[in-house]
Amino acid sequence: QKEVEQNSGPLSVPEGAIASLNCTYSDRGSQSFFWYRQYSGKSPELIMSIYSNGDKEDGRFTAQLNKASQYVSLLIRDSQPSDSATYLCAVNSGGGGSNYKLTFGKGTLLTVNP
Amino acid sequence: ETGVTQTPRHLVMGMTNKKSLKCEQHLGHNAMYWYKQSAKKPLELMFVYNFKEQTENNSVPSRFSPECPNSSHLFLHLHTLQPEDSALYLCASSIKALVGQVVSPLHFGNGTRLTVT
Repeated sequence: QKEVEQNSGPLSVPEGAIASLNCTYSDRGSQSFFWYRQYSGKSPELIMSIYSNGDKEDGRFTAQLNKASQYVSLLIRDSQPSDSATYLCAVNSGGGGSNYKLTFGKGTLLTVNP
Repeated sequence: ETGVTQTPRHLVMGMTNKKSLKCEQHLGHNAMYWYKQSAKKPLELMFVYNFKEQTENNSVPSRFSPECPNSSHLFLHLHTLQPEDSALYLCASSIKALVGQVVSPLHFGNGTRLTVT
């Protein structure tokens, strides 16, 4: 059973701080990693995708991947109240073709306090 | 404005009713998915269609019946549901990667909030 684990939170940070969200996965063969943001009552929205070890930056967001340790993280710099949402980690195993299966974590609820 | 449109947004149905959820994607993708999201549980994959062909049925009860007439449209037909089927049902689409390629992310619709009474 492939698993994706996230701390459910809530994670509370003050406005302007760095929010750090972590995710671990069980399948060493995993190749593609995604972070989604989901506001209450809304659908998940893609924030970042990362496929190779290291850091990937996009604006205030940085995704970090360490395949040896089987974890992927998301850093949000200069956190804003509008960043308050549930962040979902998603991991794909099996590459493309009909083996494409995206496994989601339960999500971490982030609250940014003004 | 999402490129994946789901209707209806909300649905209340009795256990003996038959209803259908509809999904349409305008992104030129060739793979479509149904996910179920229940409170305090991870997103659960239900069905996958690649080029209109069902390639995944994740042990979903037969009271859920998918239909994919073309690469842009996906339906989920519902009949004799149970109260525990109440959840947010999300449609998603993506570009189908070839074996060995990295996969593209999913793009989700706004979901249908289903309540079974």
